[in-house]
Amino acid sequence: DAEITQSPRHKITETGRQVTLACHQTWNHNNMFWYRQDLGHGLRLIHYSYGVQDTNKGEVSDGYSVSRSNTEDLPLTLESAASSQTSVYFCASSVSGGELFFGEGSRLTVL
Amino acid sequence: AQSVTQLDSQVPVFEEAPVELRCNYSSSVSVYLFWYVQYPNQGLQLLLKYLSGSTLVKGINGFEAEFNKSQTSFHLRKPSVHISDTAEYFCAVSDPGGATNKLIFGTGTLLAVQP
Repeated sequence: DAEITQSPRHKITETGRQVTLACHQTWNHNNMFWYRQDLGHGLRLIHYSYGVQDTNKGEVSDGYSVSRSNTEDLPLTLESAASSQTSVYFCASSVSGGELFFGEGSRLTVL
Repeated sequence: AQSVTQLDSQVPVFEEAPVELRCNYSSSVSVYLFWYVQYPNQGLQLLLKYLSGSTLVKGINGFEAEFNKSQTSFHLRKPSVHISDTAEYFCAVSDPGGATNKLIFGTGTLLAVQP
């Protein structure tokens, strides 16, 4: 079955370190998204991509970057992790006009 | 900027009672509206969506929602809840540019069903 997987599911890191969260989907969807979920804020869009080599900033993109070199993957990189980036991160994918399919999330703790 | 308001952060309800989860959005233009559900330690899954047509939308697990353009609301309802409906529910609206996929989410409502 097609799916969307995130790794790692849990990560603890230190302030200042670079962290990459992986997202891989096997649906061949053009659109991919990264959200962060925080209590009291719901889900906020970090970055999104509508196809290979296309990336766009969302509402909370500072401190994050993404790259889209193929259809299946959209890794999220925190160049220098900060405590404010402790959160649960969700990747999602979709076709144009279709619903979003979410991964199960990656819980990141920055100490 | 587009925004979504879910006024209730938590809604406690007894099993088999009806429930309504409220959602209001801010937009003067056409929008697409969605309800997603998140069970503990899982990702989100789509309950239902309104793109156009009938203002009453039926979704999975017996949920339905009504689009009210004049009140800019999209409230979620279920006539009789089960313990298994305990979860967090998110309302979302599409980007004003018209793309159906770039969603803006509300802060969520925790539905706590008690026996």
